[in-house]
Amino acid sequence: GESVGLHLPTLSVQEGDNSIINCAYSNSASDYFIWYKQESGKGPQFIIDIRSNMDKRQGQRVTVLLNKTVKHLSLQIAATQPGDSAVYFCAENISAGDTGRRALTFGSGTRLQVQP
Amino acid sequence: GAGVSQSPSNKVTEKGKDVELRCDPISGHTALYWYRQSLGQGLEFLIYFQGNSAPDKSGLPSDRFSAERTGGSVSTLTIQRTQQEDSAVYLCASSLRFIGASNTEAFFGQGTRLTVV
Repeated sequence: GESVGLHLPTLSVQEGDNSIINCAYSNSASDYFIWYKQESGKGPQFIIDIRSNMDKRQGQRVTVLLNKTVKHLSLQIAATQPGDSAVYFCAENISAGDTGRRALTFGSGTRLQVQP
Repeated sequence: GAGVSQSPSNKVTEKGKDVELRCDPISGHTALYWYRQSLGQGLEFLIYFQGNSAPDKSGLPSDRFSAERTGGSVSTLTIQRTQQEDSAVYLCASSLRFIGASNTEAFFGQGTRLTVV
């Protein structure tokens, strides 16, 4: 079936470096994407979102890139800090009318480890 | 409260018992979601509420699982005759409107860790 997945289960970076977390999605009907950060013992926390009519969106130290041609999503974190260590999930949503799925479909997550 | 509140935070139950998990969404949020997260895994969608109705129950894994929402606010997820494979963290989220509508985001609670022994 169609799903959202991640290329790398674990990413280790040095403090101060930039991090890139990748995500592949297979459902071409997906039109809304969100990145979540989940720290141990906590619920997921919204980081940034992007709609399918955009290819780039920037937040504070984070940038999300969307390539609809290859169905690829990435999260870039600038100047990675120890506090960025967490599991990162990409999620997709399909707006399919009034009876369509309104909830997000999540990938399995990538663990980001920031080395001091 | 300021965020999504779930109770209990931890629940240990014996196999075969019924459990009820509670979610208090952010006041005024019309959309409410239940997800399940097994250890080291992603989030598995269970059910979505818009107001008190559930237009999408497609994620409920079996008829032992049910959920309701009253007053457009509190929701309870009930698992009957619990099995060991039901052990997971059950997460609730709410959003002002349904996800995907005009830049609304979903806020998650801390989850209820359910352990079936």
